[in-house]
Amino acid sequence: QKEVEQDPGPLSVPEGAIVSLNCTYSNSAFQYFMWYRQYSRKGPELLMYTYSSGNKEDGRFTAQVDKSSKYISLFIRDSQPSDSATYLCAMTRMNSGNTPLVFGKGTRLSVIA
Amino acid sequence: SQTIHQWPATLVQPVGSPLSLECTVEGTSNPNLYWYRQAAGRGLQLLFYSVGIGQISSEVPQNLSASRPQDRQFILSSKKLLLSDSGFYLCAWSVKRGGYSTDTQYFGPGTRLTVL
Repeated sequence: QKEVEQDPGPLSVPEGAIVSLNCTYSNSAFQYFMWYRQYSRKGPELLMYTYSSGNKEDGRFTAQVDKSSKYISLFIRDSQPSDSATYLCAMTRMNSGNTPLVFGKGTRLSVIA
Repeated sequence: SQTIHQWPATLVQPVGSPLSLECTVEGTSNPNLYWYRQAAGRGLQLLFYSVGIGQISSEVPQNLSASRPQDRQFILSSKKLLLSDSGFYLCAWSVKRGGYSTDTQYFGPGTRLTVL
């Protein structure tokens, strides 16, 4: 079983829809969770960061973590064509020294105007 | 504010030629530095990371090497490129605080390498 599983999509939605992007993980030691957005031919940019179970909101974006189910989600409200990108989940355990992130493979999202 | 630069942005090289990709970070000191390769359908593959000058850890045995000659400079090299080295190469940095590496990484714009 891979450490992080993420449906690659592609996911196509109409403008204004609510989008749900998900990742599951197997390592219960993961404590920090991130979502990155990557536009075509660009580097990933950090969208959301959380290390507690529950919801965290930032504008139209909500990150949800359920550690008991080892499941994280990113919700996008009122989706816009500019949200069309690949979304990568990432996570890591708390540790001393360097702790590389473990990434999902990314979900490609298209928001159609 | 911190910024990360990578160059070149795109590169086309023949098989067997050498490679040197450079990454520099501004606005921070003593960062952790990372090299990733991203291939279609395979996600981000961590190649190397560095916690300090001259300290390199390799995640995947391969045709590539990395060096960190200065605190905020990270270089990815190869003596002889293979076709399989084609991909999108990303450099990233993270802040170290109190002996712990923070989890959040910030990525550069990437270098698209095509080996022909």
